Amino acid sequence: LAKTTQPISMDSYEGQEVNITCSHNNIATNDYITWYQQFPSQGPRFIIQGYKTKVTNEVASLFIPADRKSSTLSLPRVSLSDTAVYYCLVGDFSGSARQLTFGSGTQLTVLP
Amino acid sequence: NAGVTQTPKFRVLKTGQSMTLLCAQDMNHEYMYWYRQDPGMGLRLIHYSVGEGTTAKGEVPDGYNVSRLKKQNFLLGLESAAPSQTSVYFCASSDQTGDNEKLFFGSGTQLSVL
Repeated sequence: LAKTTQPISMDSYEGQEVNITCSHNNIATNDYITWYQQFPSQGPRFIIQGYKTKVTNEVASLFIPADRKSSTLSLPRVSLSDTAVYYCLVGDFSGSARQLTFGSGTQLTVLP
Repeated sequence: NAGVTQTPKFRVLKTGQSMTLLCAQDMNHEYMYWYRQDPGMGLRLIHYSVGEGTTAKGEVPDGYNVSRLKKQNFLLGLESAAPSQTSVYFCASSDQTGDNEKLFFGSGTQLSVL
C-alpha cells in the first residue's frame, strides 16, 4: 500500500495560488493519485485525479513529476470558502482489491 | 438523485450494545466502503465490497462486521460496542469510468459509545 505524507496545515490569503504537496515514495505502477476536499461535518468530495504529468479541471490542477513519487495540488486564486481539509489518496483501480487508504490530510485555512 | 445516503445521522450507544449502520447508493456502483474518522485524523478503511455478496477487510476491521446482500446497500454492524468505536462513520461508493474512479461519500454518522 502506498503511504502518503502531507503537511499538517497551511495558511493562505484570499486571491493567492495555493500548492499542496503529497509524498508517496512507494507508489506502484498501477496506482492513480486522487485529491479530495472535506468540509467540517461533511464527507470528502472529489477534486481531481491523475496518473502522470499534469491534469487540469475547472477547480484545480494536479502536477505529477516523472518519477511519480510526489504530486502537487494547485488551487488558483483561493477564496474563504476553500478553507477545508485536503486529502491525497493513492490507489490501484485496476483490480478487485480496493484498499483505498487516506492520509492525515492538510488543513488549509484561507485568511481575508 | 440522492447519491449516497447514510442512516442514522446520530446515535448514542451504551458499551456492549449492538447496532447496524445502513448505507444506500442509487448510482448502481459496484464498489462500496466503510470508513471511520476520529477527531483531527484522516479516514481509516474498515471494510469494503467489490460487488453484491462480497466483502473484504480494510485497515481497521476488528469489532465490525459488514454485509452486501443487495448491490445498493452496504451494512456496517457493531455486535458489542466499545468506547473506542466512538467516531464519525462515512460510507462511500465508486465505479470505474475508463481510467478514472471517484469515491462518492455520504454525509456521515456520528456515533458515541458511552
